[in-house]
Amino acid sequence: SYELTQPPSVSVSPGQTATITCSGDKLENKNTCWYQKKPGQSHVLVIYQDSKRPSGIPERFSGSKSGNTVTLTITETQPLDEADYYCQAWDSRTLWVFGGGTNLTVL
Amino acid sequence: EVQLVESGGGLIQPGGSLRLSCAASGFSVSSTYMSWVRQAPGKGLEWVAVIYSGGSTYYADSVKGRFTISRDYSENTLYLQIISLRAEDTAVYYCARSPEIPTGKYFFDYWGQGTLVTVSS
Repeated sequence: SYELTQPPSVSVSPGQTATITCSGDKLENKNTCWYQKKPGQSHVLVIYQDSKRPSGIPERFSGSKSGNTVTLTITETQPLDEADYYCQAWDSRTLWVFGGGTNLTVL
Repeated sequence: EVQLVESGGGLIQPGGSLRLSCAASGFSVSSTYMSWVRQAPGKGLEWVAVIYSGGSTYYADSVKGRFTISRDYSENTLYLQIISLRAEDTAVYYCARSPEIPTGKYFFDYWGQGTLVTVSS
């Protein structure tokens, strides 16, 4: 089965840049996105189609892809960005596959 | 405003069955791809089933034969019927919508808050 690998946790100081990676075999050929999940709230799409930002998502959030790794970057990280972040990939064979999630701590 | 509200979870004995519901508002569940995604305790997200706007359904290998996804146009509700429940089915189950755009099937733009299914004797 197809797997996406994320670091379990990332810590960042307020105002600094947080980077969360997600790697998988032949990820360069798949469509990827990122979700934010806070306790008690629904998942929020923050990046889709590798690097596009939905309306309402701050410009601080950006996505990129290089080879078999996609990266979510949050600049000027704020305490309210503290959450779990999940990458997800799609292709016609595996359909929707998620990474294990990364807990972002802002301290 | 798009809203998805799941219900139907609870404590179920192994071998039992249940039906989860996802009541939608702000759009029609029949107009786009609708999926169920679950998260077991301490684990990551796992996609389990999808129903396309045309009615085709697909399942993750881990649930094939035991899970059935369906929808009701008049009730604007998505369902997930689960039979022969196992301990490993214990999870929070979310419904999620793929947007009605050409590339919408690749991701989910709205999620519900989830309903907890616990399989235990």
